[in-house]
Amino acid sequence: DAGVIQSPRHEVTEMGQEVTLRCKPISGHNSLFWYRQTMMRGLELLIYFNNNVPIDDSGMPEDRFSAKMPNASFSTLKIQPSEPRDSAVYFCASSIFGQGGEQYFGPGTRLTVT
Amino acid sequence: DQQVKQNSPSLSVQEGRISILNCDYTNSMFDYFLWYKKYPAEGPTFLISISSIKDKNEDGRFTVFLNKSAKHLSLHIVPSQPGDSAVYFCAAGQDNNDMRFGAGTRLTVKP
Repeated sequence: DAGVIQSPRHEVTEMGQEVTLRCKPISGHNSLFWYRQTMMRGLELLIYFNNNVPIDDSGMPEDRFSAKMPNASFSTLKIQPSEPRDSAVYFCASSIFGQGGEQYFGPGTRLTVT
Repeated sequence: DQQVKQNSPSLSVQEGRISILNCDYTNSMFDYFLWYKKYPAEGPTFLISISSIKDKNEDGRFTVFLNKSAKHLSLHIVPSQPGDSAVYFCAAGQDNNDMRFGAGTRLTVKP
């Protein structure tokens, strides 16, 4: 199994541009999570989906952030317009709902907004 | 609003000694707790877990202790090895799904 796949691994963009981060969860997993890691706040949960349905998006910082999961094997996190304070590492994780809470993380996307 | 707190951003121990990483949580509804380990340029990986019905869980050199009345858990690594050097995240949640993470503690094990 390839694990959780995220792309791109690194993204550098200018303020105001649209950024789209992509995630492919582990096959068979029905929960998907988006996190942001910063020095100050550690791992923040942005949004999570169960069976492709958004369950809790209270962690999404602003309307500039949006996430979709059109099917069980793909999710996107979009930032439009991007700002320098969005610079962070964004992780996607997947799990099997109700089975121990263990989540499998992707390698992350390091986003730099200049 | 940080529901899970790791108040020590870093910890340094000598190889062979015990490492103790601490974590506090505020939500009394949390019933499942996990520790993750993260190496640079990689995503966090699951290390060990404990449910609220237990106060201790052991896996090799790693032991997690849970004190529900104090809303506190700790991870003990003994003996510590240089390969244990990483960032350790504590996570807590309810119903085994929506987990909240702490800010992490960077452990350095010196040879």
